Amino acid sequence: DSGVTQTPKHLITATGQRVTLRCSPRSGDLSVYWYQQSLDQGLQFLIQYYNGEERAKGNILERFSAQQFPDLHSELNLSSLELGDSALYFCASSVGGAGSNQPQHFGDGTRLSIL
Amino acid sequence: AQTVTQSQPEMSVQEAETVTLSCTYDTSENNYYLFWYKQPPSRQMILVIRQEAYKQQNATENRFSVNFQKAAKSFSLKISDSQLGDTAMYFCAFMPLWGGSEKLVFGKGTKLTVNP
Repeated sequence: DSGVTQTPKHLITATGQRVTLRCSPRSGDLSVYWYQQSLDQGLQFLIQYYNGEERAKGNILERFSAQQFPDLHSELNLSSLELGDSALYFCASSVGGAGSNQPQHFGDGTRLSIL
Repeated sequence: AQTVTQSQPEMSVQEAETVTLSCTYDTSENNYYLFWYKQPPSRQMILVIRQEAYKQQNATENRFSVNFQKAAKSFSLKISDSQLGDTAMYFCAFMPLWGGSEKLVFGKGTKLTVNP
């Protein structure tokens, strides 16, 4: 058990819909990272939050947004869903911060299927 | 931008034997970390081993060890005494130490099958 909790484990929805993925980091971790794993793109970094503030953006579509709340849990919102958004979405957490040498620990992922 | 290349899409090994997975990376950074993550069929991402670029000594974790060649930008993973439970996708990942983000850059992965 990594200590990172992601809900739900599975989501099935239709094109055009909106979903919210939730992540609770490990106790003591301030950074939350979101990754997308798809067959064609592999594992891609989407976005990082550190202590409530956005720290870095990767290949995140404009239809996607995220936030980190005061209790440090994070949500990834995906809207106007397309078939190509079907993927496994991972949340990871770490102590974070510039120069941090602590590894990221991953949740079990949310499997999103768009029908 | 950093890139990570895993040139072996698939590998297989007999139980109890040794196997080496290759990884090369490209970066202009001098300080960074390298990781190997394992993803079994359960889809979890499990940290196997990590290496700090400023350390010359290769990291070791039980049956797992790395061969880190900084000048060659090479970071291979050796699995000794392979076990059936080692069957998984293995991802090599790079993380800059400085630069505004601790994001991981992953390779495409190597699918390892351990045969009985």
